[in-house]
Amino acid sequence: AQTVTQSQPEMSVQEAETVTLSCTYDTSESNYYLFWYKQPPSRQMILVIRQEAYKQQNATENRFSVNFQKAAKSFSLKISDSQLGDTAMYFCAFTTNAGNNRKLIWGLGTSLAVNP
Amino acid sequence: DSGVTQTPKHLITATGQRVTLRCSPRSGDLSVYWYQQSLDQGLQFLIQYYNGEERAKGNILERFSAQQFPDLHSELNLSSLELGDSALYFCASSVEGSGYEQYFGPGTRLTVT
Repeated sequence: AQTVTQSQPEMSVQEAETVTLSCTYDTSESNYYLFWYKQPPSRQMILVIRQEAYKQQNATENRFSVNFQKAAKSFSLKISDSQLGDTAMYFCAFTTNAGNNRKLIWGLGTSLAVNP
Repeated sequence: DSGVTQTPKHLITATGQRVTLRCSPRSGDLSVYWYQQSLDQGLQFLIQYYNGEERAKGNILERFSAQQFPDLHSELNLSSLELGDSALYFCASSVEGSGYEQYFGPGTRLTVT
């Protein structure tokens, strides 16, 4: 079965500090894509960062970076210099190259609060 | 703004009724996906269309149906509504071969009373 586990239902961080959100996944496929999405109180689902499984280099997008450990099937998100606007629900998800189905498999999310 | 539009934003209806949710993908995107986000079950994949054809089905109830039209917009039809169908329904679109990232619309909040 393909699953995503986010073991931290809630986290908090002080403004300007760094926080890491954990994600582990399970798939038997060798080629897949991993994503972090952010869902602020507006409920809009926003793509934060993506990682191709065949790439060893960790993806970065400004203050957001990932630590991708393929053998461990781990895909954590690091947010540097946290800002109040980073307060949101963060979802880890992946999709594979298998067949024509490109559905995203989702974790249950981590609620992140950035405190002033 | 992701470029994906969904209407309506909010919908309140009674049990047993039927509603239609509409989605327009980003310009150039051929794939459309529907997801349901409920409080107790997280995000669930419902169905995927590619260039007008159904490509994959997930946990979509028989009371639900969808289609993608020649102009690539998609509609999700929910019938015989039950209280448990209350949820946020997202549409997403993607370009095949681009790394499969999906861009989401703002969602339709459905409340069944």
